[in-house]
Amino acid sequence: NAGVTQTPKFQVLKTGQSMTLQCAQDMNHNSMYWYRQDPGMGLRLIYYSASEGTTDKGEVPNGYNVSRLNKREFSLRLESAAPSQTSVYFCASSEDLIVRGATNEKLFFGSGTQLSVL
Amino acid sequence: QKEVEQNSGPLSVPEGAIASLNCTYSDRVSQSFFWYRQYSGKSPELIMSIYSNGDKEDGRFTAQLNKASQYVSLLIRDSQPSDSATYLCAVNFFLSGGYNKLIFGAGTRLAVHP
Repeated sequence: NAGVTQTPKFQVLKTGQSMTLQCAQDMNHNSMYWYRQDPGMGLRLIYYSASEGTTDKGEVPNGYNVSRLNKREFSLRLESAAPSQTSVYFCASSEDLIVRGATNEKLFFGSGTQLSVL
Repeated sequence: QKEVEQNSGPLSVPEGAIASLNCTYSDRVSQSFFWYRQYSGKSPELIMSIYSNGDKEDGRFTAQLNKASQYVSLLIRDSQPSDSATYLCAVNFFLSGGYNKLIFGAGTRLAVHP
């Protein structure tokens, strides 16, 4: 049982390049999330998906797009990377949506992607 | 004022001592409180959740919540070097329209030395 799997673990981009971060969970969870973590700041929600086919913006969505390909997979795309997007990115999942109703839900995190944009 | 505040540390305690980690949150309606542990270079992992005032114990961990003071803490008894990590406080706030907002603090780094 792998839990939440993210790829890649490390990535270096030049300003303006694009890339997609992949995430898959095998826990049959309905909800998935993308967070970024920066030094001195808490985890911040970029986008979330309540269920297959639905996505919504979180706190810091600018410069990102997402796709909920199916129940298992939720990808994050940077269309034109900027140095301000240098961060550690975490994908997470939960059985139900923590931002609407399921306030006691536990988040399961992937291992993270360390992204540097030069 | 940040919505969820933690002292960044490092908090250094000797092995076997009690480590006390504190978290304050802004004056908003909140209902759920969590402590996540994050080892260096790893992902956060939930270790405690608390929803009502008072203490909640789980093994060597005790979470304490005081909503009137907007304060939640985590006590780690008999601290071990393996407890050395960053501890993230997370608070779920009510928003309008039935939405909630889970806000993470920046974390407190704990170092347990032998």
